[in-house]
Amino acid sequence: DTGVSQDPRHKITKRGQNVTFRCDPISEHNRLYWYRQTLGQGPEFLTYFQNEAQLEKSRLLSDRFSAERPKGSFSTLEIQRTEQGDSAMYLCASSRGGSPNEKLFFGSGTQLSVL
Amino acid sequence: AQSVTQLDSQVPVFEEAPVELRCNYSSSVSVYLFWYVQYPNQGLQLLLKYLSGSTLVKGINGFEAEFNKSQTSFHLRKPSVHISDTAEYFCAVSDQGDYKLSFGAGTTVTVRA
Repeated sequence: DTGVSQDPRHKITKRGQNVTFRCDPISEHNRLYWYRQTLGQGPEFLTYFQNEAQLEKSRLLSDRFSAERPKGSFSTLEIQRTEQGDSAMYLCASSRGGSPNEKLFFGSGTQLSVL
Repeated sequence: AQSVTQLDSQVPVFEEAPVELRCNYSSSVSVYLFWYVQYPNQGLQLLLKYLSGSTLVKGINGFEAEFNKSQTSFHLRKPSVHISDTAEYFCAVSDQGDYKLSFGAGTTVTVRA
């Protein structure tokens, strides 16, 4: 069990650029989540996958955001035409799947700074 | 969706003293309740959770929390803290059957010798 890994740890980009983050969940975890955390706030739900199927998306996830989980393994989160308001910590979490009350295992996050 | 209020943003405490972190959530018929901890430069880790049954829940590292349905609260306690308990603590709630969590803004606990 190597834990949830996220890459990169930090990303600095200019407004208007596209960025992509990667999350590798714990192997054999069926469920994968993306959350966003801004300074002084708790994580906010963005979206989650059951295997390769994206089952729910938050209204926070504008059309500029897209997430994929091909083959039900790693996931990518892409933000197009970044805005300064996108600056945040993007957290990935995974769980075995099955019941909603399961323990989530979180990665250390990708810190995005949009200049 | 649930909303979660953590009433204290910062809690300084001396080593070996008790600590209580307060959490209230918006009312709902049935909820699951969680406390997560984030140590510096690490991902969030589950401390404990309440699903049903006994209202007093014990977690890792000597923490416990009490569910109070009438007050819609889920306060976290530890009778004697250590320096290593310095971290940020997040209360979270989900409606039963829902897979997404709503988190509070967090409470930073700083333990001093």
